[in-house]
Amino acid sequence: DGGITQSPKYLFRKEGQNVTLSCEQNLNHDAMYWYRQDPGQGLRLIYYSQIVNDFQKGDIAEGYSVSREKKESFPLTVTSAQKNPTAFYLCASSDGARGKLFFGSGTQLSVL
Amino acid sequence: DAKTTQPPSMDCAEGRAANLPCNHSTISGNEYVYWYRQIHSQGPQYIIHGLKNNETNEMASLIITEDRKSSTLILPHATLRDTAVYYCIVKQENTNAGKSTFGDGTTLTVKP
Repeated sequence: DGGITQSPKYLFRKEGQNVTLSCEQNLNHDAMYWYRQDPGQGLRLIYYSQIVNDFQKGDIAEGYSVSREKKESFPLTVTSAQKNPTAFYLCASSDGARGKLFFGSGTQLSVL
Repeated sequence: DAKTTQPPSMDCAEGRAANLPCNHSTISGNEYVYWYRQIHSQGPQYIIHGLKNNETNEMASLIITEDRKSSTLILPHATLRDTAVYYCIVKQENTNAGKSTFGDGTTLTVKP
């Protein structure tokens, strides 16, 4: 089945540690996005990529990094510079024809 | 992208129509209105979108005012499974137009 796969579902980070969240899509979409969601709040854009080997900062990029080496993959690294990383992270890709967003099931990141 | 305003919460009786409003007074001529919903701890799901004409699909109907400054998402016969956070966003349909921004949405609670 076509879709977006995020892994792992739950992730724990130790102080000073970098962690990487995986996002893979087989929808052949050019655009991909990473969002952060805190409890009871909406989605905030971290980074987005409109094409392979190119990406732009969103509203809250500090403490995060991304890469887009393949069309199918858009991993997000939460660096030790992100002092409050506990949140629900969502990856999405966009249907170029109609601009619809397709979301993964999310990764819950917590700090030990 | 234009900013949207939604009520933070609404209730609806099971089997009745749920009417969710959205204000987007600064919408530009080439921006579409999109609706998504997010069930707890899952990724948001696309519902419907439109430019200026009313739209209907198997999930919902979208009514856009003539001046395009507001819209209403209608769930004709709400069920308990429709309890979710509903997001209204406006953006250009072309994926290369840039990033998508989500607000806090409306929490719809369908009651028996």
